Amino acid sequence: EAGVAQSPRYKIIEKRQSVAFWCNPISGHATLYWYQQILGQGPKLLIQFQNNGVVDDSQLPKDRFSAERLKGVDSTLKIQPAKLEDSAVYLCASSRQNTEAFFGQGTRLTVV
Amino acid sequence: GENVEQHPSTLSVQEGDSAVIKCTYSDSASNYFPWYKQELGKRPQLIIDIRSNVGEKKDQRIAVTLNKTAKHFSLHITETQPEDSAVYFCAADGSGNTGKLIFGQGTTLQVKP
Repeated sequence: EAGVAQSPRYKIIEKRQSVAFWCNPISGHATLYWYQQILGQGPKLLIQFQNNGVVDDSQLPKDRFSAERLKGVDSTLKIQPAKLEDSAVYLCASSRQNTEAFFGQGTRLTVV
Repeated sequence: GENVEQHPSTLSVQEGDSAVIKCTYSDSASNYFPWYKQELGKRPQLIIDIRSNVGEKKDQRIAVTLNKTAKHFSLHITETQPEDSAVYFCAADGSGNTGKLIFGQGTTLQVKP
């Protein structure tokens, strides 16, 4: 089966600019996750969707981050405005309910 | 809050030796404990997982043990090979049985030929 697709692979922006990431999960996977992985650390969950509803966004900095999953398939994650500390790899993952999570290649964001 | 501690942060072994990575978790309700391998610049990939109803699971050179009472679990790699070199992450599912994973900080394993 095709894996989790993410784009872009790399993005460099200046602080205070906005940026958006896109994710296409594995077909049939109802659960979609966005994780933030800062260099040298483990992934940290930002938001979890079940179909097009939010299950957990407790760690999402809602003053600058937003995410949506229209129609319960693709998802976008947006940062506006970006800060230097947002530099990280943003990983999208998907799973069937309570089973193995499959990760995408990630988007490496550098904020300068 | 939910937390997973992982040790050591770096591990260097000689090819053919064994490697052990240990994790402890805080949420006694956690039931699912996967291990991911992440090569440089690549996505994390699941290598083995264990659920709370078993104490040990093995897959060829890789094994995982779980002690629910002590809230710790370990990854054991035997007969290490240079291609085992990567960052390994342990994780535990968060509360609420939603599938959310809490990751450890990672262990950089270097296998010297």
